[in-house]
Amino acid sequence: SQTIHQWPATLVQPVGSPLSLECTVEGTSNPNLYWYRQAAGRGLQLLFYSVGIGQISSEVPQNLSASRPQDRQFILSSKKLLLSDSGFYLCASTSGGSYNEQFFGPGTRLTVL
Amino acid sequence: AQSVAQPEDQVNVAEGNPLTVKCTYSVSGNPYLFWYVQYPNRGLQFLLKYITGDNLVKGSYGFEAEFNKSQTSFHLKKPSALVSDSALYFCAVRDPNYGGSQGNLIFGKGTKLSVKP
Repeated sequence: SQTIHQWPATLVQPVGSPLSLECTVEGTSNPNLYWYRQAAGRGLQLLFYSVGIGQISSEVPQNLSASRPQDRQFILSSKKLLLSDSGFYLCASTSGGSYNEQFFGPGTRLTVL
Repeated sequence: AQSVAQPEDQVNVAEGNPLTVKCTYSVSGNPYLFWYVQYPNRGLQFLLKYITGDNLVKGSYGFEAEFNKSQTSFHLKKPSALVSDSALYFCAVRDPNYGGSQGNLIFGKGTKLSVKP
C-alpha cells in the first residue's frame, strides 16, 4: 500500500504571509494526487488534483495554488494567506484504477492569525 | 450529478450494541462506494469498499457495509460497538463512467460516531 507524508504537521502563520505545504508519496508510481481542506472537523473540500507531473486541476477558485514538480511530490502554496485559509489540509493519493481507494496523509493543521 | 448523503450528523451507541451509520448515493451508473474513518487530528483511513459482487462487504476493525442498489444505500455496520470506534466516518462514491474531475471521489459530510461505555 501507499504511504503519504505531509509536513509540517502544524503551522501558525500571520495573515499576508506565504505558504508552502508539501506532500510526498511512497509505494507507488504515477499516482493521482489530491489536496483537500477540512474545516471544523467535518466535510472535505477538494482543492486540487493532479494526474501527472505539471498537470494541475483546480476545483474551486481561491487564494491557493498547487504544483507537482515530481511524480510523487505535490505542493500547496499561497503568496498571501487569508484568515479563511485556516483549516486542516489533507493530501491523498490513488493509483492503479478507479476502483482503488485513496490513501490519505496525516494532515497539516494551518492556523492563520 | 453524483452525490452522497450522510443523513445523520451524529450517532450515539452504547458499547456492545450494534451500530449503523447511514449513507445514500446518487450516480448515473453502477457506483464504486467507500467508507473511511477519521480519528481526531488524523488523516482518513480506508475501511472498506464495494466495487462489484457480493453486496455485503467486510472491512477493517470488524466493520461491514451492505450495498443496496434499489435503495441506493451503503450503510456501515458493526455487530458490537467499541468505545474506540468513536470517530468521524465518511462515505464516498465514484462513478466509474466518468474521468477527469467527474471521476473523483465525492465525499459525504461525515457522521460523528460516539460510543459510550
